[in-house]
Amino acid sequence: AQSVSQHNHHVILSEAASLELGCNYSYGGTVNLFWYVQYPGQHLQLLLKYFSGDPLVKGIKGFEAEFIKSKFSFNLRKPSVQWSDTAEYFCAVISGSARQLTFGSGTQLTVLP
Amino acid sequence: DAGITQSPRYKITETGRQVTLMCHQTWSHSYMFWYRQDLGHGLRLIYYSAAADITDKGEVPDGYVVSRSKTENFPLTLESATRSQTSVYFCASHGTSGEKSSYNEQFFGPGTRLTVL
Repeated sequence: AQSVSQHNHHVILSEAASLELGCNYSYGGTVNLFWYVQYPGQHLQLLLKYFSGDPLVKGIKGFEAEFIKSKFSFNLRKPSVQWSDTAEYFCAVISGSARQLTFGSGTQLTVLP
Repeated sequence: DAGITQSPRYKITETGRQVTLMCHQTWSHSYMFWYRQDLGHGLRLIYYSAAADITDKGEVPDGYVVSRSKTENFPLTLESATRSQTSVYFCASHGTSGEKSSYNEQFFGPGTRLTVL
């Protein structure tokens, strides 16, 4: 069964710091990869997604992620975080022909003003 | 464009009671999903449906029942609620390549916060 690991459970940064959140998945075949964000009290919103092509994916709000197939990784990055980026971030994978998303346990990001 | 809605948004119930959470989508997406979100677990799939009258279990189906008589609705029923079912429940949908949505992208509802006393 597919599994997704997010090793950072809680990250605290100051504004303008750079961000990198780790995501690793277990499935060795074709995957579709996603990062979702959940702001306090809100539902999940898609930040970015990778289906195929350029492994460096740009999303909304200045976020990007790099798919490294050899490392089974899809890390999320942002060069300069803002206080408004405080939220929980979830990595998710769809593998093979399935439609189900498998989520990581999430990373809570707190940005200090 | 209403998208995907859930009702109620908040629900408090007692152990042993039956509770139904509603999910409605306006896109006519084929696939619909129910997840529960618990601290430290991320989102876990309860049930999903590939089309009307087709449902299948996810990772944590015990204690839940679903039905899908119409494409746009996917209710989730807790037949006899337990305290361990206190959680936030999210419904999601996505279409296939021929439908009006990004292929394989799931769209989430606003969630239902359920408390079982």
